[in-house]
Amino acid sequence: DIQMTQSPSSVSASVGDRVTITCRASQGISSWLAWYQQKPGKAPKLLIYAASSLQSGVPSRFSGSGSGTDFTLTISSLQPEDFATYYCQQANSFPALTFGGGTKVEIK
Amino acid sequence: QVTLRESGPALVKPTQTLTLTCTFSGFSLSTSGLCVSWIRQPPGKALEWLALIDWDDGKYYNTSLETRLTISKDTSKNQVVLTMTNMDPVDTATYYCARTQVAEGYYFDYWGQGTLVAVSS
Repeated sequence: DIQMTQSPSSVSASVGDRVTITCRASQGISSWLAWYQQKPGKAPKLLIYAASSLQSGVPSRFSGSGSGTDFTLTISSLQPEDFATYYCQQANSFPALTFGGGTKVEIK
Repeated sequence: QVTLRESGPALVKPTQTLTLTCTFSGFSLSTSGLCVSWIRQPPGKALEWLALIDWDDGKYYNTSLETRLTISKDTSKNQVVLTMTNMDPVDTATYYCARTQVAEGYYFDYWGQGTLVAVSS
């Protein structure tokens, strides 16, 4: 199975900060990658699919980039509602769909 | 409006079989490109994809768990059922069902609220 490694595992940031989270695949997955946001006690929410496509209704401060093995999720100006855990998911190696270990974005 | 809701027991004993039902609305599982997946999350841990059933009744499983899993659908009732045999305390988790869209990959675009299943004697 393809392993997905996220870094950092947690980040402390302030409102208004630019935050970047990285995800590395153990082998190339083209652009078949998604990003999800999960708040405590809630289901994950799809933010980005196909590495850089913004899901409908997601604010434009979220963006994704990358291809092959290295990907990034950027929040251009962190808002109070963005404090959450973020997961990447590879969508290439089917049926072995795998998630990263998560990155918790905390208030500084 | 797409919604999904999981239902099933909150507590099962070790070695028992878990049966979970996902009841959905707002889409048809007969539509090409649409699937339903089951995903779980142990407390404080990451997400793990378990199984998927597609519009053509194709069934796919996490290879590490596939001997224990069975997924099925009832299109007329808009339900997907997952069974997991031989439950163990390590299977304690929140279990989610999620609509899965096939579009340059497999993406989980709508999720249920999740149901917490504890495995304990």
